[in-house]
Amino acid sequence: NAGVTQTPKFQVLKTGQSMTLQCAQDMNHEYMSWYRQDPGMGLRLIHYSVGAGITDQGEVPNGYNVSRSTTEDFPLRLLSAAPSQTSVYFCASRSGQNYNEQFFGPGTRLTVL
Amino acid sequence: AQSVTQLGSHVSVSEGALVLLRCNYSSSVPPYLFWYVQYPNQGLQLLLKYTSAATLVKGINGFEAEFKKSETSFHLTKPSAHMRDAAEYFCAVTAYSGAGSYQLTFGKGTKLSVIP
Repeated sequence: NAGVTQTPKFQVLKTGQSMTLQCAQDMNHEYMSWYRQDPGMGLRLIHYSVGAGITDQGEVPNGYNVSRSTTEDFPLRLLSAAPSQTSVYFCASRSGQNYNEQFFGPGTRLTVL
Repeated sequence: AQSVTQLGSHVSVSEGALVLLRCNYSSSVPPYLFWYVQYPNQGLQLLLKYTSAATLVKGINGFEAEFKKSETSFHLTKPSAHMRDAAEYFCAVTAYSGAGSYQLTFGKGTKLSVIP
């Protein structure tokens, strides 16, 4: 199993550009989440999904969209990038029970100029 | 809302010394608690978790944590630090986010430095 994969690893955008961060998992996990990590802030939840076709907002959803058309994929879209979205983005997945381990991808380092 | 507080954003210990990383949580219901480790330029990896079985939980790489309900704490310890333990450590608690869904809430992290 590849686990949780994310592409790209690095990305530089200009303010106002849009892009999609890709996330895929091959463990048949129902739950998938997107976090952003900023220095001194820990990880903050952006959006999450409890299954295909079901998504909801986390702590910091503004400026981001998600969709979940398949169990495997959970892309994160930046509609109009802003410098405040410069961060490291992590995708994670876990199977059903809420005490189960979340598996994290390697992250995408995004810089918005 | 549930929350996690990690005391100390940076902790330095000498190689061979005790490692103690502090975590306190707030929760209105019995929590599930986790410690994750992040090595430089990598994703997060689970160290250990508490799921209401034994209060003393043993994890990977010689780490353990004790759940103390009366103190709302879940401190992480290791008897003898090794250079390879230098990393950032995150404490996390499950939080109910509606519609039967639970999501992790993370503390801000503690960066551990190990001095030779």
